Amino acid sequence: SAVISQKPSRDICQRGTSLTIQCQVDSQVTMMFWYRQQPGQSLTLIATANQGSEATYESGFVIDKFPISRPNLTFSTLTVSNMSPEDSSIYLCSVDLPETNYGYTFGSGTRLTVV
Amino acid sequence: KQEVTQIPAALSVPEGENLVLNCSFTDSAIYNLQWFRQDPGKGLTSLLLIQSSQREQTSGRLNASLDKSSGRSTLYIAASQPGDSATYLCAVVRDDYKLSFGAGTTVTVRA
Repeated sequence: SAVISQKPSRDICQRGTSLTIQCQVDSQVTMMFWYRQQPGQSLTLIATANQGSEATYESGFVIDKFPISRPNLTFSTLTVSNMSPEDSSIYLCSVDLPETNYGYTFGSGTRLTVV
Repeated sequence: KQEVTQIPAALSVPEGENLVLNCSFTDSAIYNLQWFRQDPGKGLTSLLLIQSSQREQTSGRLNASLDKSSGRSTLYIAASQPGDSATYLCAVVRDDYKLSFGAGTTVTVRA
């Protein structure tokens, strides 16, 4: 299965600042997904990132707050902008692998604390 | 909208006991169903993937069943060990290839 490298693994940030999270996959994939897991909650999909086009955001998430880049088939970034304490969460990237009948693999996550 | 429910929310068992984790979903038009394990503060580890045409999948001490018509999946973990302590998440792969997650079952295996 694909190996996903996600960084940083954790960070503590001041409110009002921005953090960019990177996700690197060791094989080419069509779609990359970004999720948020708030404390004590399950995962919520933020957006789907396709190479060469703008990301598609789920209801409740907007590009100004969570801009995403997808410059090639192995890499994506998610930026959390103008952070507030409510943004404190684990952020995870995920990819699907057609050769495994769409089994999903996740990165190790970025634990973000906003103070 | 696909709703995924996991029961129980938490489970504590003595070592050696078998675990039964339940997952239900409201829309039977699913592509796949996947079970994950999550350790505290960590990412997700895939345990089993069941395609919509399959009834079950097995890997070592783990067995997962799928009944699409009734909207249910069950994860069985045989002979539990303290290392099995984690949160187990059920995720339905929708036909748009996006995942809908349950809230998870937090398992504690007591030595």
